[in-house]
Formats: sequence, C-alpha cells, structure tokens
Amino acid sequence: AQKVTQAQTEISVVEKEDVTLDCVYETRDTTYYLFWYKQPPSGELVFLIRRNSFDEQNEISGRYSWNFQKSTSSFNFTITASQVVDSAVYFCALSENQAGTALIFGKGTTLSVSS
Amino acid sequence: GEEVAQTPKHLVRGEGQKAKLYCAPIKGHSYVFWYQQVLKNEFKFLISFQNENVFDETGMPKERFSAKCLPNSPCSLEIQATKLEDSAVYFCASSKAGPLGGANVLTFGAGSRLTVL
Repeated sequence: AQKVTQAQTEISVVEKEDVTLDCVYETRDTTYYLFWYKQPPSGELVFLIRRNSFDEQNEISGRYSWNFQKSTSSFNFTITASQVVDSAVYFCALSENQAGTALIFGKGTTLSVSS
Repeated sequence: GEEVAQTPKHLVRGEGQKAKLYCAPIKGHSYVFWYQQVLKNEFKFLISFQNENVFDETGMPKERFSAKCLPNSPCSLEIQATKLEDSAVYFCASSKAGPLGGANVLTFGAGSRLTVL
C-alpha cells in the first residue's frame, strides 16, 4: 500500500532561518510521482513541484529546494532564508504513474515563520 | 478557463439535509478528482472521473455520497442526509493525462466548506 509520512506536525522558525520539511514515502511501484503542495492560511492548494521516480536530481527554485533520495524513500523540502509569507501547511504527496489515480497525501507540516 | 471553479464557497446544512457541491474543471482536463479535508489536516480521496466515467471510487462512502460528471455540465458531489462528521472542506481538482497516460499535476479549486449543524 502507498503511504506518505510527514513526521513533523509543526515547525516554528524566525525569518531568515533555513528550514527543512521531511517527507518519507512507501510504495511498491517502480514508477511513481512525488509532489509538494502548499496550503496558505487562505486555504487554497498551490502546486510546488512534481518529481518522477526516475529523476533523482535535486531541484532548486529560488529559495526552495528539494532533495529526492530513493535509497531512503525520502523527498525533503528546504526553504532557505524563510520569510513570513512562507507560513503555511505543506503537504507531500505520492501517486502511481497513471492519470486518474488518487494522490496520496501526507498529513502536512504546519510551518510558522515569525518576524 | 484556467482555474478549477467550485461553488458554493460555503454551504450550511442541518443534519439530515442534502448538500450538493459543484466543480467546473479546467477546459481540456479530462480527469476530475474530489477530496475531503477535515480540520486542515489530511486529505481523503473520494472519487475520480475520466471525462464522465468514474475512474476510481475507492474512497467514496457508498451510502450517502454520490458524484457525477456529465457532458457540458459542472461535475457535482452530493451528500444525502448529511451528518455532523461530513463538515469539511471539499476540494475538486482536475488534470490532463501525463505523457503516455501517466500521472500529471492536479490543479485544485479553492474548495467548498460544508458546515453541518
């Protein structure tokens, strides 16, 4: 069965600190996709990244970076120099490689960034 | 349009009443998904459609929940005889198929908050 674990329920940091959000997944599939979504206080879900299981290259997008390690089944997300606007719930998710199949979400990590 | 449109934004029902939520997917997206989020925590998958056909309904509570995606109409999620535990935000999402029919990014609507009193 597929499963996503985000062990950190809540994290609090001060602006400009770096913060890493952990994500560990379980799947028997050899081909799968991993995602991160952000849910700010306004409630909408914002797509951040999709990574397929064959692409283990780390990705950087501005202050955001992602570390995919197949050997440890982890897909961690780091925010560098955090800002108050980064305060949100962040969800890691997993899907099979077939359109239409359910996205399996972790329980989310609430990040609070104070000034 | 380029966004998933969900209506209503907020719906209040008394226990036992019917609730119906609507979702217009992004034009050109053939897959529609419904998720339930309780207390800003976990997302529970309910059902997905490929065009007007049910694709995966493994998360759907069969007794009181039903959903449809008919041609030229918004998709709908209906709850008969609502219960207090149905209070949640219901998100609709749509996607295109990825390369070779693989998974693709889901674009989510803003959600419909159902409050059952």
